[in-house]
Amino acid sequence: DIQVTQSPSSLSASVGDRVTITCRASQSISTYLNWYQQKPGKAPKLLIYAASSLQSGVPSRFSGSGSGTDFTLTISSLQPEDFATYYCQQTYSIPPITFGQGTRLEIK
Amino acid sequence: QVQLVESGGGVVQPGGSLRLSCAASGFPFSSYAMHWVRQAPGKGLEWVAFIRYNGINKYYADSVKGRFTISRDTSKNTVYLQMNSLRPEDTAVYYCAKDAGCTSTVCYFFYFDSWGQGTLVTVSS
Repeated sequence: DIQVTQSPSSLSASVGDRVTITCRASQSISTYLNWYQQKPGKAPKLLIYAASSLQSGVPSRFSGSGSGTDFTLTISSLQPEDFATYYCQQTYSIPPITFGQGTRLEIK
Repeated sequence: QVQLVESGGGVVQPGGSLRLSCAASGFPFSSYAMHWVRQAPGKGLEWVAFIRYNGINKYYADSVKGRFTISRDTSKNTVYLQMNSLRPEDTAVYYCAKDAGCTSTVCYFFYFDSWGQGTLVTVSS
């Protein structure tokens, strides 16, 4: 199975900061990598699919990049509503589909 | 707009069974693949099962293979998860999700663009 590892596991930042979260796959997955945001008690929300495509309705401060084994999610200027947990997901080799362990983004 | 509503969760004893339902609306249900994803309390997301638009192609996580069965009823716009031989480690919120990248015409990228609110399954004696 393909493993995906996120870093960091948690992150403290301030409103207006630029934040980057990294996801590394255990083998090449081309651009079969998605990013989700989850707030406490809520379902996950799709942000980025196919590594760099912005889902409709998602603010443009979110961006994704990468291919092969290394990927990043960048938030260009943190807003109060962005404090949440973020997950990457690989869909190159199915089954199984695998998620990263999550990155908790907290207010500094 | 797209709506996914899960139901059927509850408390069940180890070894018991439960059937979850996910009622879909707001999109052509028969054209899209669907998934179940679960999240144990305080833990991350775990993919559970996939079913293609035609109900024929199905995949499962190793942790549930042989115990869980995914199915769909196009006439009712509903996807199901039959869970048998339940274990305490199956305790989780179960979400259904629509796969925008896997349709009746193309199935190339898989990504979950809509999710239900989740239903809690607790396996405990």
